[in-house]
Amino acid sequence: DQQVKQNSPSLSVQEGRISILNCDYTNSMFDYFLWYKKYPAEGPTFLISISSIKDKNEDGRFTVFLNKSAKHLSLHIVPSQPGDSAVYFCAAPVKSGAGSYQLTFGKGTKLSVIP
Amino acid sequence: NAGVMQNPRHLVRRRGQEARLRCSPMKGHSHVYWYRQLPEEGLKFMVYLQKENIIDESGMPKERFSAEFPKEGPSILRIQQVVRGDSAAYFCASSRAVLAALQETQYFGPGTRLLVL
Repeated sequence: DQQVKQNSPSLSVQEGRISILNCDYTNSMFDYFLWYKKYPAEGPTFLISISSIKDKNEDGRFTVFLNKSAKHLSLHIVPSQPGDSAVYFCAAPVKSGAGSYQLTFGKGTKLSVIP
Repeated sequence: NAGVMQNPRHLVRRRGQEARLRCSPMKGHSHVYWYRQLPEEGLKFMVYLQKENIIDESGMPKERFSAEFPKEGPSILRIQQVVRGDSAAYFCASSRAVLAALQETQYFGPGTRLLVL
């Protein structure tokens, strides 16, 4: 069962405009979320995170918004640049039976920024 | 400051052969995680290891798959008698401390792409 869902497999945006990537989750116990960016033939790289005690976290051109009541978060990229073209994964730590955390990922959204 | 290293980057095996995937964590990291990404899917957790210990293998298939992280050397993910359904990208990640601190970040390697013919 998919606890973190990214319902848009792809998104195309014009350079300089805003990119908005969405993520929904089903587990109300999640209290931390991460966004990873992945280029082809590379591993995911950490981009930005947010704790559930906040509703917004900003880092340069990247802002993540969290709406706990809707179990929804979104990543905003402003302004979008061609180098932002990648697959973006939403993830959340899930506590395992061993007492540690593992990450559960959405299926990803492929962002294409058109020059 | 080398990142997480994985080798080989690409591996081709015929059905029934064994596949060995290696992962060297970042310097100073003693926690290793393996994930599998099937085509058009997100990454799925497989196993979490510390040196000489398997901590959580809840995501590992019960048969044919095993993992180790010896005292010396890289972590190894071993797949015996591979089948076509094992074709995927396998990513290793490492962290400095146990991911009990939610903010602790996992750093990923470039992955090994396994193709089973």
